Amino acid sequence: AQKVTRAQTEISVVEKEDVTLDCVYETRDTTYYLFWYKQPPSGELVFLIRRNSFDEQNEISGRYSWNFQKSTSSFNFTITASQVVDSAVYFCALSTYGQNFVFGPGTRLSVLP
Amino acid sequence: DSGVTQTPKHLITATGQRVTLRCSPRSGDLSVYWYQQSLDQGLQFLIQYYNGEERAKGNILERFSAQQFPDLHSELNLSSLELGDSALYFCASSVDEQGSNTDTQYFGPGTRLTVL
Repeated sequence: AQKVTRAQTEISVVEKEDVTLDCVYETRDTTYYLFWYKQPPSGELVFLIRRNSFDEQNEISGRYSWNFQKSTSSFNFTITASQVVDSAVYFCALSTYGQNFVFGPGTRLSVLP
Repeated sequence: DSGVTQTPKHLITATGQRVTLRCSPRSGDLSVYWYQQSLDQGLQFLIQYYNGEERAKGNILERFSAQQFPDLHSELNLSSLELGDSALYFCASSVDEQGSNTDTQYFGPGTRLTVL
């Protein structure tokens, strides 16, 4: 069975702090894809990243970085120097060939000024 | 802007009524997905259409149905509405050329349904 869990339900940080959101997944497939989405208070779901299981390189995009570790089945997301606009619910998702996306339960991040 | 459009943005109706939610996918995307997000809940997959045909079903109630038209827009019909159906309904689309379901899904802004 495919599954995505998170370590934290809610995280609260002060602006400019670094914060890491954890994503742990479970699948028996060797080929799979991992995603992160952001849902700000306005409600829309914004795509952030897609990563396949054969590419274990960490990725950096501005203040965002992702750490993929196959050995621990984790795909963690770090925001460096957090800003108030980063406040949102963040979802990790898993997809495998022919199967529906499985979304994790989401982590609510609050960045305080 | 993801390129996926959904109408209406908000819908308020009464129990027992029927409503239709509409979704237009991104240009070129063949797959359309519907999700339900209840208050403080995660995303529940409802149903997927691929190029006009039903591809997969999730936790969709029998009172709900959907279809995808030849121009690839999709409609989600919710009938005999109950208070518990109040939620945010998202449509997403993806290219999904290979039919693998692994391409990025781009989400519309959602329709917020309130059943009174």
